[in-house]
Amino acid sequence: AQTVTQSQPEMSVQEAETVTLSCTYDTSESDYYLFWYKQPPSRQMILVIRQEAYKQQNATENRFSVNFQKAAKSFSLKISDSQLGDAAMYFCAYRRRTGANSKLTFGKGITLSVRP
Amino acid sequence: GAGVSQTPSNKVTEKGKYVELRCDPISGHTALYWYRQSLGQGPEFLIYFQGTGAADDSGLPNDRFFAVRPEGSVSTLKIQRTERGDSAVYLCASSSTSGAGEQFFGPGTRLTVL
Repeated sequence: AQTVTQSQPEMSVQEAETVTLSCTYDTSESDYYLFWYKQPPSRQMILVIRQEAYKQQNATENRFSVNFQKAAKSFSLKISDSQLGDAAMYFCAYRRRTGANSKLTFGKGITLSVRP
Repeated sequence: GAGVSQTPSNKVTEKGKYVELRCDPISGHTALYWYRQSLGQGPEFLIYFQGTGAADDSGLPNDRFFAVRPEGSVSTLKIQRTERGDSAVYLCASSSTSGAGEQFFGPGTRLTVL
């Protein structure tokens, strides 16, 4: 079975600074997707960024980028130029690639606060 | 609206009662998922539909939980003889079968069992 571990329950960052959220996972499969989701107090899960395991290049989306280390099974999220609106819970998630669709396996999440 | 919708937004019930939670996916999305999120935890998978059939129901915790999707669109999650431990946010997501199959989530239903 696949597992996703987020060991930091909380983090805080100063507005305009950079923060890195950590995630490790365990799987015996070689082809899969990794995701970071943001969940504000409204409960709506929002996809932040996606990484395909077969791609060596790290994904980037504007201020968000990942450091994907496949051999180490590590998948961290870097948020640059942090904004007040970035404050939320962030979840790392895994999904196997084989098959048309499959379930997401989530970590426990990390609460990010942004100090003005 | 173009997103996934869920009703009700909040549901309070008494222990032992029956509840139904509804999910309306994005139009045209053939895959539909239910997850349960307990306080302070990440969402946990319950069941996945491909069209009208349950393709994977391995996450349903016991036989008090049941879900249907009779016409391949709207889905209903049904919980019988509710227990206090069923209190959680129930999230629904839908996806198409193309590309990476990104799952789009609804706002969830917060279920409180007294």
